[in-house]
Amino acid sequence: EAGVAQSPRYKIIEKRQSVAFWCNPISGHATLYWYQQILGQGPKLLIQFQNNGVVDDSQLPKDRFSAERLKGVDSTLKIQPAKLEDSAVYLCASSLADRGLHFGPGTRLTVT
Amino acid sequence: LAKTTQPISMDSYEGQEVNITCSHNNIATNDYITWYQQFPSQGPRFIIQGYKTKVTNEVASLFIPADRKSSTLSLPRVSLSDTAVYYCLVGDNNNDMRFGAGTRLTVKP
Repeated sequence: EAGVAQSPRYKIIEKRQSVAFWCNPISGHATLYWYQQILGQGPKLLIQFQNNGVVDDSQLPKDRFSAERLKGVDSTLKIQPAKLEDSAVYLCASSLADRGLHFGPGTRLTVT
Repeated sequence: LAKTTQPISMDSYEGQEVNITCSHNNIATNDYITWYQQFPSQGPRFIIQGYKTKVTNEVASLFIPADRKSSTLSLPRVSLSDTAVYYCLVGDNNNDMRFGAGTRLTVKP
């Protein structure tokens, strides 16, 4: 089966600019997650979707971050405006019930 | 906050068995225990999942005592390619999947 797809793989922007990341989960996976991983730290859960509904967005900085999964399949994570501390790898994952999370390759964001 | 506690780092030598213990004192009745492996510049990869007693697959074994307040990931005969960060997570039906800092395993020749 095809894995979780993410794009772009790398992005460099200046602070105060906007950026968007795209994720296409494994076919049939109802649950989709976005994580932020800062260098040297474990992934931090930003938001979890079940189909097109939000299950958990308690750690999403809602003043600047937004995410959507309109048709219950692919998803977009947006940052507007970006700050220097947003430099990180943004990981998308999907899962089927209790069978573990499948992660994509991530998008490495550098904010200058 | 993560619901688990693990050692920050461990060292081992090729061919040895490595055991990484994770504490999860507040594990809920419906929570499963899942371990992930992460190499640099890659997303985490599922290794093994269990609820109680022992689970074994082609990669590792997972030992869970009766009180389920801890678990141990066992990697038999490690090689240099097992050098990675290992994460222990607990959650119900893949909800609330929060990673801690993980355990950085270094395998030496």
